[in-house]
Amino acid sequence: EAGVAQSPRYKIIEKRQSVAFWCNPISGHATLYWYQQILGQGPKLLIQFQNNGVVDDSQLPKDRFSAERLKGVDSTLKIQPAKLEDSAVYLCASSLGGGGTEAFFGQGTRLTVV
Amino acid sequence: GQNIDQPTEMTATEGAIVQINCTYQTSGFNGLFWYQQHAGEAPTFLSYNVLDGLEEKGRFSSFLSRSKGYSYLLLKELQMKDSASYLCAVRDQVRDYKLSFGAGTTVTVRA
Repeated sequence: EAGVAQSPRYKIIEKRQSVAFWCNPISGHATLYWYQQILGQGPKLLIQFQNNGVVDDSQLPKDRFSAERLKGVDSTLKIQPAKLEDSAVYLCASSLGGGGTEAFFGQGTRLTVV
Repeated sequence: GQNIDQPTEMTATEGAIVQINCTYQTSGFNGLFWYQQHAGEAPTFLSYNVLDGLEEKGRFSSFLSRSKGYSYLLLKELQMKDSASYLCAVRDQVRDYKLSFGAGTTVTVRA
């Protein structure tokens, strides 16, 4: 079974530039998560989708971050414009649904804003 | 919201046992997960508890007490490869099964 795919693996941009990350979840997984993990910290949930609807985006900085999940499958996370403090690993995860199903993580995208 | 607390760091010797505690507060508990994360890698699932008690999986065991908002992960017969960050995560059914993580506990295994 293929895992969660993310691209790119690494990205370096200058502050005020834009960047987009892509995620392809495990086939059949209804729930998709985007997490931001700053070095030395735990993953922070940015947004959670159930199929193509947003169920939680309370910690998403909506003035600069946006995300969408097309047709309830792939998802993109965009930052525009980027700030230095956005430097982090952006992890995408998916799960079958709620309840006791565990989330499976992609390898993440390491973003460096200079 | 969900407050999830776990120690920042722990150090133990190869072959020993280490217990990582996690306390949480949540409005609608729907399960607690433990993940392992090696440096530079993605988190990988270790265990899941939704009912009180101990779940054993080889060298790793996880315990849950819902009334106390408390869990621990027990690592036995420590090996060097167990050096990693261990993340406690809680799912909240009141908040659409939101999955929130603690800051993680870095375990260092020494020879």
